[in-house]
Formats: sequence, C-alpha cells, structure tokens
Amino acid sequence: DAGVIQSPRHEVTEMGQEVTLRCKPISGHDYLFWYRQTMMRGLELLIYFNNNVPIDDSGMPEDRFSAKMPNASFSTLKIQPSEPRDSAVYFCASSLGLAGYAYNEQFFGPGTRLTVL
Amino acid sequence: AQTVTQSQPEMSVQEAETVTLSCTYDTSESDYYLFWYKQPPSRQMILVIRQEAYKQQNATENRFSVNFQKAAKSFSLKISDSQLGDAAMYFCAYRRLYNTDKLIFGTGTRLQVFP
Repeated sequence: DAGVIQSPRHEVTEMGQEVTLRCKPISGHDYLFWYRQTMMRGLELLIYFNNNVPIDDSGMPEDRFSAKMPNASFSTLKIQPSEPRDSAVYFCASSLGLAGYAYNEQFFGPGTRLTVL
Repeated sequence: AQTVTQSQPEMSVQEAETVTLSCTYDTSESDYYLFWYKQPPSRQMILVIRQEAYKQQNATENRFSVNFQKAAKSFSLKISDSQLGDAAMYFCAYRRLYNTDKLIFGTGTRLQVFP
C-alpha cells in the first residue's frame, strides 16, 4: 500500500489567495483526520471524517477554512482567503474504524508545508 | 478536556547512552491510549510506542520503553543505547480508548544525539 498521500508537499502563496490541500487516505480506511502543526500551537486536530461525514470540526479555526470528503478516497482542505498566520504544516491521517476497544492506528501522510507570504 | 504537557522543549544525549523524555497529561477518563510519536526532519510522523491505560505493564519496543504512572498521570519515554538516527522531535499523545477518536498532542521535545 502507498500509505496516505498528500499533495502538494510544499505550497507557497500570497496573502488573499485560495489554497487547496489534498489527501488520499489508505484504501479501506473509513476515518480521515486533518491536523495542523505550528511552532506556537504544536499539532492540533482541525477536523475529522467518518465514512465521508464530518464528525468533529471544532478545531477548524474560522470560516476561511473548509474541508470536504466527496468520496472515500479523497479529501480537501481549503483556505480562502489565506493569511500569513495560516503558514504551517498540514497533516492528513487515516485509520480503519473499529468499534469498541479494538486498537486502530492512525497513519499519517508526509504533510504539506504551507507558506503564506 | 484532555491536555498533554511536555515540559522539556529540548534534550540531548550522547550516542549509546540512555535518555528519558517526560510527558504528563490530564483526563477525567479511566481508559485511554497514550502514544509516543517520532518526527524526524523528513516530517513523517512515526509511531514509536503505545500504552493502554488499563494495562499495568509498561510497554516496550526494542530500545524504547515507557514508564506509565496512571495515578500521577505521567508517561515518560526511555530510549536506551541512543543512536544518531534517534535524533528527532518526539511527541506524546493521548486518545480516548473507546471507538475511533482524535489524537491530542503535546508540544514536543527535540532530541539531539551527539556522537
């Protein structure tokens, strides 16, 4: 398996532009997570999906951020308009949902480093 | 709400020596998972070790072991026989036990390994 795939690996954009980050989870995984990593706040969850449905979006910082999962193999995180404080590394992770107490590991993608000038 | 605290922003160790990274957490739940993740310069998040809170025995994975003190809400990582490849950011993380849920991370500890 190719693992979680994210694109692009690096993105440099100017303030005010729209940015779209993409993620392909591991085939068969039904949970998808978006995390953001910054120096100030560390790694924090933005949103996660189960079977393409958003379950918890309490970490989405503001209305400029939106995430979609149109099908089981693709998700996007969009920032519109982007601001310099959005500069961070954005990680996507996926896992196989298991009920009850069974352990299911979250597998991380390589991350997208976003720089907003 | 659950929180995870790593009070050591940076640590260093000499090759072949042992180092311990500290982590404390706060939760009102009795069952949960705790993890240590490694993030090398490549940025890839790599799971190092996990501990189930209901297990009294400390988890071990080769040179990596934990000291899990449930009452104190402490979860430290011990790296024995440190190697140059161990140099990385290390993150402690918490997750609810039941069903699938998000990871809550500490702020990380940067580990340097000197030859």
